[in-house]
Amino acid sequence: DTAVSQTPKYLVTQMGNDKSIKCEQNLGHDTMYWYKQDSKKFLKIMFSYNNKELIINETVPNRFSPKSPDKAHLNLHINSLELGDSAVYFCASSQASGGGETQYFGPGTRLLVL
Amino acid sequence: AQSVSQHNHHVILSEAASLELGCNYSYGGTVNLFWYVQYPGQHLQLLLKYFSGDPLVKGIKGFEAEFIKSKFSFNLRKPSVQWSDTAEYFCAVNGPGNNRLAFGKGNQVVVIP
Repeated sequence: DTAVSQTPKYLVTQMGNDKSIKCEQNLGHDTMYWYKQDSKKFLKIMFSYNNKELIINETVPNRFSPKSPDKAHLNLHINSLELGDSAVYFCASSQASGGGETQYFGPGTRLLVL
Repeated sequence: AQSVSQHNHHVILSEAASLELGCNYSYGGTVNLFWYVQYPGQHLQLLLKYFSGDPLVKGIKGFEAEFIKSKFSFNLRKPSVQWSDTAEYFCAVNGPGNNRLAFGKGNQVVVIP
């Protein structure tokens, strides 16, 4: 019984395409996140939602659009993919949006843009 | 904004050796501190965390970390590593009421059998 799941696990696509990554958590958490891990393994937060409302929106190109249909799901849609978007994207969730909350991570989606 | 520094990005050691990974943070207030581990091909898992209280925190798999406020440090230690500890280790920090976790660049640890 996976706590935070992501689909797909691997995504290979051409430049210019539009793609989506899905995330679901079955922990009953209120807050969800998207992180990007680059080729040097550096992790940086992109977005955070609390109960379907956007609360963190870092400096990310507006080609990236998160959507939270309910508090158990946070999807990431990427328009006009570029080579630099190649990375591992991790979804995470936490009980609430407070600073002390432990964040639980999904297995990651490895995106390769050709 | 908070930031995290991890030194010695690549660490190679033999089984049974002791491991210490340094983590220094920059944040002007009360902090919450975390160590996460990422085994090859897997997702990040929490090793341990510090919010308040005893500055020596014990985590899973025999790891511990010590918060030294005066040095802005939260170093991770394990007295005797195993081959299965081969992984990437990330230190992270945020402040109270702020769930924006700032990660360090990670330490890649390779344990040779």
